[in-house]
Formats: sequence, structure tokens, C-alpha cells
Amino acid sequence: KAGVTQTPRYLIKTRGQQVTLSCSPISGHRSVSWYQQTPGQGLQFLFEYFSETQRNKGNFPGRFSGRQFSNSRSEMNVSTLELGDSALYLCASSPVRTSGDLSSYNEQFFGPGTRLTVL
Amino acid sequence: DQQVKQNSPSLSVQEGRISILNCDYTNSMFDYFLWYKKYPAEGPTFLISISSIKDKNEDGRFTVFLNKSAKHLSLHIVPSQPGDSAVYFCAASAGDKIIFGKGTRLHILP
Repeated sequence: KAGVTQTPRYLIKTRGQQVTLSCSPISGHRSVSWYQQTPGQGLQFLFEYFSETQRNKGNFPGRFSGRQFSNSRSEMNVSTLELGDSALYLCASSPVRTSGDLSSYNEQFFGPGTRLTVL
Repeated sequence: DQQVKQNSPSLSVQEGRISILNCDYTNSMFDYFLWYKKYPAEGPTFLISISSIKDKNEDGRFTVFLNKSAKHLSLHIVPSQPGDSAVYFCAASAGDKIIFGKGTRLHILP
């Protein structure tokens, strides 16, 4: 089974621009989450989509948005880029938790990430 | 408000010795805990997990211990190998939410 793929892998933008990142989950996974990783801050949760609906949201400004398509693929958009948005953006997919099974949902499968540099 | 804390940003351990990575959490609603390992330029990969109904889970060289009363979990790696050098993230889950710690960078020394 193919893993989570993210495109592009690297991106350089300038302040004020906007950017769209793409994530294709593992086939059959319906939940897609996005994280921002910066040095010293670990993995900060951006949002999670499930069946085309945003189910959970982290504490990021409205400049960060996302969506999920009917095939579970997801995109993340950042508008009006700031220098502090430079980070590794990770996407993770999860299968749906089945009744009584604690493990099937919680494990997340991460993509390789998109390294965004804002100049 | 950090609900999952990894207080050691880095740790150096001699090859062959035991590596112990620690994680504390504040929310007693967390019922599932996971450890992920991350190499540079790659996404994190799942390592081992434990349900709140257990206090220990073992998988080869990796063992996770959970102390619910102290809201503390630890990952033991024994014996430590050079390929274990990576960043380790602790994560805690409740319902459909999962929260990660900031990570601990483990250096295995030759």
C-alpha cells in the first residue's frame, strides 16, 4: 500500500504571498491531519479533516485554512505569508476507529512533509 | 498550555546502554499514548503505543511504561543502537484528538 504523499517537497515563497500544499492519504484512510513543525516547538496541530469536514482545529490564525476532497485528498492553504510561517508542514492520515478498537484510529501515518521557506 | 510535555530537548546515550525518554501529561482524559520517531527530512513514524488500561507494553527493544497516577510515561530502548539516533515524539490521545510533545533528540554515542 502506498504511503502518504505530499507535494511539493520544498517551496520558497516571499512575505505576503500565499501557498497551497497538497496531501494524498493512504488509500482507505478518511482522516487527514495537518501539523506544523518548527525547531523547539515540536508538532503543532493545525486541523483535521474527516469526510470533507473540518473536525478539529488547532490554535492557528485564520490565514491557515484547509479542505478535503471526496477522494480524501487534502489541501492546506496559507495566505499572506509571514517569515514565521517557515516550517516543515506534515500531513498525517488515519483509518477510521472501529468500535472497541483503540488502535486503529489513533495511529497516524505521516507523509515526508513540505519544507516551506518564507523570505 | 502544554498538555503533553517532553522536558528534555536532547539526550545522549552510549551505544549498547539503555535510553530512557520521558513524557508528562496533564489531561486525565487521555486514554491512549503513542511514541513516534523522526529522522531528518522524513515524516514521523509510529514506534509503539499503550492504552491507559495497561502499564507496560513491549515490542522488541522498545518498552513503554505508563504511570497514570503520576501522569507520566517513558520509553525505554535497550540496547541502544546507532540507528536509534532521531527525534522522539510522545503523543496522547482522547477521543478523536491527539496532542504531541515537542520531542526529544536522542544521540547514540559510539
